Amino acid sequence: KQEVTQIPAALSVPEGENLVLNCSFTDSAIYNLQWFRQDPGKGLTSLLLIQSSQREQTSGRLNASLDKSSGRSTLYIAASQPGDSATYLCAVCGSARQLTFGSGTQLTVLP
Amino acid sequence: NAGVMQNPRHLVRRRGQEARLRCSPVKGHSHVYWYRQLPEEGLKFMVYLQKENIIDESGMPKERFSAEFPKEGPSILRIQQVVRGDSAAYFCASSFRGGENSNQPQHFGDGTRLSIL
Repeated sequence: KQEVTQIPAALSVPEGENLVLNCSFTDSAIYNLQWFRQDPGKGLTSLLLIQSSQREQTSGRLNASLDKSSGRSTLYIAASQPGDSATYLCAVCGSARQLTFGSGTQLTVLP
Repeated sequence: NAGVMQNPRHLVRRRGQEARLRCSPVKGHSHVYWYRQLPEEGLKFMVYLQKENIIDESGMPKERFSAEFPKEGPSILRIQQVVRGDSAAYFCASSFRGGENSNQPQHFGDGTRLSIL
């Protein structure tokens, strides 16, 4: 059974800092890994999708890496802004086609 | 270019009533997934459907819960005889193809927040 863990559970940083969010998963037989952002009371916004054959994906100030063999992914956010404050969720898609989610990292960027 | 549309956004029911949650996928998407987010917990998979077929319902409680995705119209998640423990946010996602196509992301709606009195 796939299990996804995200560390840290919460993170508070001053504006402008670069930061890294971590995600680990127990079963390396995945099709892809997605990073999402969730604002309070809202749905999920897809940030990046990394296919199992890829090592990283970039979108603007975001960069996600994937090391499938070790069961790890990181989300790097450059030059953080108060508008980046949200909960960031990591989810893996396996053979069952469903997404298995981590519990999220709650990010607060202080102005 | 509408995304996944869920309605209602908020639903209040009394114990024992029925709750019907609707999900219209992104236009052209034929795969729908339902997830539940209980208070203070992460999102958990419930059911995966293609048009007129249930592909995987391993995450859905065996009793009181059912889901459908008819040929025409939205996908429906139905909860009969609701109990307090059903209070949660229910999210629907859709994709163009199934998740085994590794470049196909799931797109999520804003969810339905169900409250049971």
